[in-house]
Amino acid sequence: GEDVEQSLFLSVREGDSSVINCTYTDSSSTYLYWYKQEPGAGLQLLTYIFSNMDMKQDQRLTVLLNKKDKHLSLRIADTQTGDSAIYFCAALSGASGGSYIPTFGRGTSLIVHP
Amino acid sequence: KAGVTQTPRYLIKTRGQQVTLSCSPISGHRSVSWYQQTPGQGLQFLFEYFSETQRNKGNFPGRFSGRQFSNSRSEMNVSTLELGDSALYLCASRPEYQETQYFGPGTRLLVL
Repeated sequence: GEDVEQSLFLSVREGDSSVINCTYTDSSSTYLYWYKQEPGAGLQLLTYIFSNMDMKQDQRLTVLLNKKDKHLSLRIADTQTGDSAIYFCAALSGASGGSYIPTFGRGTSLIVHP
Repeated sequence: KAGVTQTPRYLIKTRGQQVTLSCSPISGHRSVSWYQQTPGQGLQFLFEYFSETQRNKGNFPGRFSGRQFSNSRSEMNVSTLELGDSALYLCASRPEYQETQYFGPGTRLLVL
């Protein structure tokens, strides 16, 4: 089955850019997602990209997809202390048919220092 | 539109008891999925319901069950609670024909 890997921690200074990386194993993955989880809260859908796209930009967020390497990244420009949270990458396998069971990574804790 | 709501938000139970968690999806969403989140295992899929039918089930013992009502609200039940069932239980709803799901705030269950 699908496996999604992320590094566990990332520390950046306020105002810098953050880049969170993710790799997945199933080349038939159709949708790739980024979620944000703040302490004590559920997962908030930040953005997603369809597999036929290379890049998607949404305000301070830029998602890059390298299908050949099965690598996904999330860039947060001008990172603020309010961006401190856990960021989850998820992949929806195209082989899932009518099922909707995305596979989630373990999450990357982003720590933003003032 | 109101988001996904889950009740209760916090729950403390003892081993051997059973618990029922509730989820109300976003209005118009017919698909509801449940996940268990723990520090050790991360986010694990429990089951997905659509139009009152369970479409998929994750790799959890039969103590974990769920159902969906005609108004798309869903409940999950865990019987004979074990210490390892302590977790954040997340519900997510999805609109039909769309590939994005939206999560509720979760129910934090502590089993003593």
